[in-house]
Formats: sequence, C-alpha cells, structure tokens
Amino acid sequence: GAVVSQHPSRVICKSGTSVKIECRSLDFQATTMFWYRQFPKQSLMLMATSNEGSKATYEQGVEKDKFLINHASLTLSTLTVTSAHPEDSSFYICSARVGASEAFFGQGTRLTVV
Amino acid sequence: KNEVEQSPQNLTAQEGEFITINCSYSVGISALHWLQQHPGGGIVSLFMLSSGKKKHGRLIATINIQEKHSSLHITASHPRDSAVYICAPDRDSNYQLIWGAGTKLIIKP
Repeated sequence: GAVVSQHPSRVICKSGTSVKIECRSLDFQATTMFWYRQFPKQSLMLMATSNEGSKATYEQGVEKDKFLINHASLTLSTLTVTSAHPEDSSFYICSARVGASEAFFGQGTRLTVV
Repeated sequence: KNEVEQSPQNLTAQEGEFITINCSYSVGISALHWLQQHPGGGIVSLFMLSSGKKKHGRLIATINIQEKHSSLHITASHPRDSAVYICAPDRDSNYQLIWGAGTKLIIKP
C-alpha cells in the first residue's frame, strides 16, 4: 500500500513552546489530509481536514489558532501546536487520501508537554 | 445513538480460533473501511469495500449495504493479530471517516 510518513514519532517539549509535526505522502499525491488526536483508551478524534492550497477546515471545539495546519503541497501537511500546554499531550496522527480512495495513515506522533 | 456500532468491544480468544467482529451503521455511506491499530498507535488500512466481500490472506471482510452491516473475519488467528480493529464508514460528502469505537482483540498462544 501507499506510504505516509509522519515525523517526529515522539516529542517532548516545554510548556509554552511550539511543536511542528510533518505528514508526507511518499508515493502518491494526496488531495486531502486529515489530522486526528487520540487520548488513551479512546477513539481517534478528527481535528481538521486540509486540502492542498486552501485553508483547513477545523472540527467544532478545535482552536485553529492553537493548532495551525499548513497543506503547502500535495505531498506535505504540517500541524503546529502553538504555545503547548500539558493538556495538549496526546497522540497525533495524520491520514492522507486521493479523493474517495483508501485512507493511509502516518505512524503517529506522541507529544508530551512538560 | 452512535452512527457506528461495533461489537464486541473486547474479545479474547485462543490461537487458531475463528474471529468475527461486527459493525453496524445508521447513515448512508459510499464505502466502509476496516482498520487495524497496533499497540504502538500506528494504523493500517486492511480493507475498503463498498459491496460484497474481500479477502486478504487470513482476513475476510463483508458488507451488506441494504442491512447497513459489515463483518471482519480472521481465520486461524495468531497472537500477532492482537490489536484494535476499527470499522470506519466513509462520509461521502467530504471523504471523512466515521469512527467506530474499535474492538480490542487479544489472541492468546
């Protein structure tokens, strides 16, 4: 299957700093990328949907100024957690699709804010 | 009521057993995905299907669009099949997935 690379896989940062997570589709051009977060023992929760070259669509309750999403090309989307706080500690995972095709997922990023 | 219901929530079985995980949904969909989430968090797409049946190795997925029901079967289960299995129908309006709660499967040797 297609490969989606997410980096970094783990990050620890200090409270108040910003963290950038990258999501790349390595062997296909993704028309749509999705960002999810997952708390322990819970389902994935969709944060935002992004299409290349346009602004991301955020889900209700997700602060767009805190979770900045940039989808600069058909193979790269980034999620920046700004002014991170301990409550932002979570597992973040991206997904990429070409239209209504199969969904492919990155490996996920475990963020710990101390 | 949730749009997607999966059962069972947890399943523990012995190696070699035939496993069935069920998924019912209440909305109109264009396709349905079965996904596997490993203990480390990574997610793998197992199947995407819109009708009938698909088979890949020891895994079989079926869907009945009229009854709004899908099943995932694992034959000759193995401890390495231990994972969370997620049913996720496609919200065809914007390519978003509707996430089931997942089934935590443990296969004991």
